[in-house]
This record gives sequence, C-alpha cells and structure tokens, in this order.
Amino acid sequence: ILNVEQSPQSLHVQEGDSTNFTCSFPSSNFYALHWYRWETAKSPEALFVMTLNGDEKKKGRISATLNTKEGYSYLYIKGSQPEDSATYLCATPVGGNTPLVFGKGTRLSVIA
Amino acid sequence: DAGVIQSPRHEVTEMGQEVTLRCKPISGHNSLFWYRQTMMRGLELLIYFNNNVPIDDSGMPEDRFSAKMPNASFSTLKIQPSEPRDSAVYFCASRTTGYNEQFFGPGTRLTVL
Repeated sequence: ILNVEQSPQSLHVQEGDSTNFTCSFPSSNFYALHWYRWETAKSPEALFVMTLNGDEKKKGRISATLNTKEGYSYLYIKGSQPEDSATYLCATPVGGNTPLVFGKGTRLSVIA
Repeated sequence: DAGVIQSPRHEVTEMGQEVTLRCKPISGHNSLFWYRQTMMRGLELLIYFNNNVPIDDSGMPEDRFSAKMPNASFSTLKIQPSEPRDSAVYFCASRTTGYNEQFFGPGTRLTVL
C-alpha cells in the first residue's frame, strides 16, 4: 500500500506571510507527483504535475519543488492571501496508468 | 468542455433505500475514478475504470456498493441498501491515460438518515 504523508495537518498564517508545506512519498518506483488545491464545498483542482527529480513549477504566487531521490515535495505560497485558504493535497500513482493515492492534505487558513 | 458532470449534487435518503449516483466524464478521457471523502479517511478511491472496464474495485467498502460504466460517457455508483455510515461526499474524476492530472466533478453530497 502506497503511503503519502503530508505535514502539517493544518496551518494558520497571517495575510502577507509566506508559507510552505511538505508531501512525503515512497522514492522507489516513482512516476509522478500531483498537487491539488481544494476549497471548501468545491472539488479538488489540479495545481501541478511533476515527474522529474529537481522539477520546479510555478503558478502565480504558488510554487512547488520535487525531490524523487528522497521522496518529498514542497509547496510554497508567497505572500499568502485569504483566498489561498484551502486544503492542499498531494498525490502520486501506485504504478503506470493507475489511480492517484492522495495524502490527507494540509488545511491552510490565511487570516486577514 | 463542461468538465466532469455529476448528479445529483445532493441526495438525502432514508436507510435501506437504493441510491444511484451518476457521472459523465470529460469527452476523450478513458480513465474514470470514483472517490469518497470522509473525515476519517480523507479522499479514498472506491473503484476505477480504464476504457469502460473495471480495473480495481478493492476500495468498494461492501457488497452493497456497485459501479458500472456501460459506455465511455457514463458511469453509475449504486448503494443498495444504503446505511447512515454511507453519508459522505462522492467524487467522480476522469483523465486520459498516463500520469496526467485527474479532473474532478463537483461531487454528490449523500446523507442517509
């Protein structure tokens, strides 16, 4: 069974602060790492898909890095805004063309 | 594209009743996934299909749960008989073959009284 761990479980930051959280996954048989943003009462929305060690992706104030050798990915948010409040999920497939296994997420609350 | 479509968005039923959830994947996507969101387990995979064929249903909690995909544009998840512990949000997602992102539907919030 693939184990995807995310930390912290929840995070409260002030508006304007930068923050980051971690996703850990098995480093063997790595295929891809996905990050999703999930707002309350909505469905998860894809942020990034990363496949190569050392990959860095950026979308606006949000960026992510990937280390497949040690099995972790960081998600960074620069200058957090209240609209960034959401649960951030990471996921990885068990094997080729298999479903994603999701972590339990990091719930971010940005206080104005 | 309209994205993944799920219906109904909300369902309230009584224990023992049959519940059918519906999903229309994005056109051209050949993999379809049913997930359930609960507080305890987060987002858990129930079953998935590749090219309309069920590949792995090991996540289906009990025989009361069944899923079908009669064609590339439609899938159902059925619970019969339903129980209060089945109350959750059920998501359908689809994607093309490979490691591409999965697109989620809006979910069906099921409440079994």
